[in-house]
Amino acid sequence: DVKVTQSSRYLVKRTGEKVFLECVQDMDHENMFWYRQDPGLGLRLIYFSYDVKMKEKGDIPEGYSVSREKKERFSLILESASTNQTSMYLCASRSGTGSIQPQHFGDGTRLSIL
Amino acid sequence: AQSVTQLDSHVSVSEGTPVLLRCNYSSSYSPSLFWYVQHPNKGLQLLLKYTSAATLVKGINGFEAEFKKSETSFHLTKPSAHMSDAAEYFCVVSLTGGTSYGKLTFGQGTILTVHP
Repeated sequence: DVKVTQSSRYLVKRTGEKVFLECVQDMDHENMFWYRQDPGLGLRLIYFSYDVKMKEKGDIPEGYSVSREKKERFSLILESASTNQTSMYLCASRSGTGSIQPQHFGDGTRLSIL
Repeated sequence: AQSVTQLDSHVSVSEGTPVLLRCNYSSSYSPSLFWYVQHPNKGLQLLLKYTSAATLVKGINGFEAEFKKSETSFHLTKPSAHMSDAAEYFCVVSLTGGTSYGKLTFGQGTILTVHP
């Protein structure tokens, strides 16, 4: 089975802090994704990566950056955290190109910015 | 462009009765379709996927879905609900063809409640 591991289940940070969310997958997948999930807004794509050191903006990249130095690890960075970034963050990975393969999700990080 | 509409935001059933969660989609290309389930404070778990093979797709935990192109629907069913099925369910479409990387479009979710 695919295993996508997010380093923290719950995280509390303060406004202005630089925040790192880490995600690791164990299936040698090429593609990795970061989403945020908010009530009433559903899941929204922040960034994705289709190869090491490659990244593409999703639908809501503002205020975020990402890093993918190794194939198995995809980090989401909040450069200067703000209260409107309080959310559930979900990481996913997928094999291959195209779309027929499903994305596999981690358990999520519930981030609170105070 | 692609979109997904889950027709019910909440569905309530009794344990042992059938479950029907409805999903309609629109897509300019041949879609891949998925159903995911999310239990409280957990990530999304894949239930099943349709990728242009058989139109009736069987998934985990007794769920299945039928792809109906003429109706642009992909409804999720289960013959007999179990208490552990209580969760939120997402219908998801993935764009195929062209230069797409497989962008997912999520439905808004259906919360399934199962009564004893």
